[in-house]
Amino acid sequence: EAGVVQSPRYKIIEKKQPVAFWCNPISGHNTLYWYRQNLGQGPELLIRYENEEAVDDSQLPKDRFSAERLKGVDSTLKIQPAELGDSAVYLCASSPGTGFYEQYFGPGTRLTVT
Amino acid sequence: AQKVTQAQTEISVVEKEDVTLDCVYETRDTTYYLFWYKQPPSGELVFLIRRNSFDEQNEISGRYSWNFQKSTSSFNFTITASQVVDSAVYFCALSEAYSGAGSYQLTFGKGTKLSVIP
Repeated sequence: EAGVVQSPRYKIIEKKQPVAFWCNPISGHNTLYWYRQNLGQGPELLIRYENEEAVDDSQLPKDRFSAERLKGVDSTLKIQPAELGDSAVYLCASSPGTGFYEQYFGPGTRLTVT
Repeated sequence: AQKVTQAQTEISVVEKEDVTLDCVYETRDTTYYLFWYKQPPSGELVFLIRRNSFDEQNEISGRYSWNFQKSTSSFNFTITASQVVDSAVYFCALSEAYSGAGSYQLTFGKGTKLSVIP
């Protein structure tokens, strides 16, 4: 069974540029998460989807971040415009549903904003 | 207030030594789950264990064991006879159920970087 797929793995952009990350969850997993992991820290949740509905986006900086999960499968996380402080690893995870399930993580996208 | 505390930032051990990674958590819920994840240098978080708040029985899986003690709000992880492949960052995480934003999300500690020296 394929795991969570993310692309790109690495991205370097200049500040004020837009950037997008893509995630394909494990087949059949209805719940999808985006996390941000700063250097030396644990991941922090940005947004959680149940199917195509964003059910928890309280920690998403909505002035510059947006996300979508069309058709309840793949998801895209966008930052526009990027700031220096956005440099981090962006992780996507999925689980079979919402609840106390274990979450399966992708390899992440390492973003560097210069 | 930090909900998951991993006080050990970095640990180095010599191969074949036993090592315990500490995790202390804070919650007001009676129903919650605790998790451990491993993050090797490749970056992908790997699920190791999930434990619910009503099950304090210790768990053993090969060289890995977990000690859950509600009285001290701790969920410690021990690796017996450590190997070089165990070198990674290990995260403890808490999941709580409550209405509204944040329910069921994983709240991670800052992680403990384990280096196993051959």
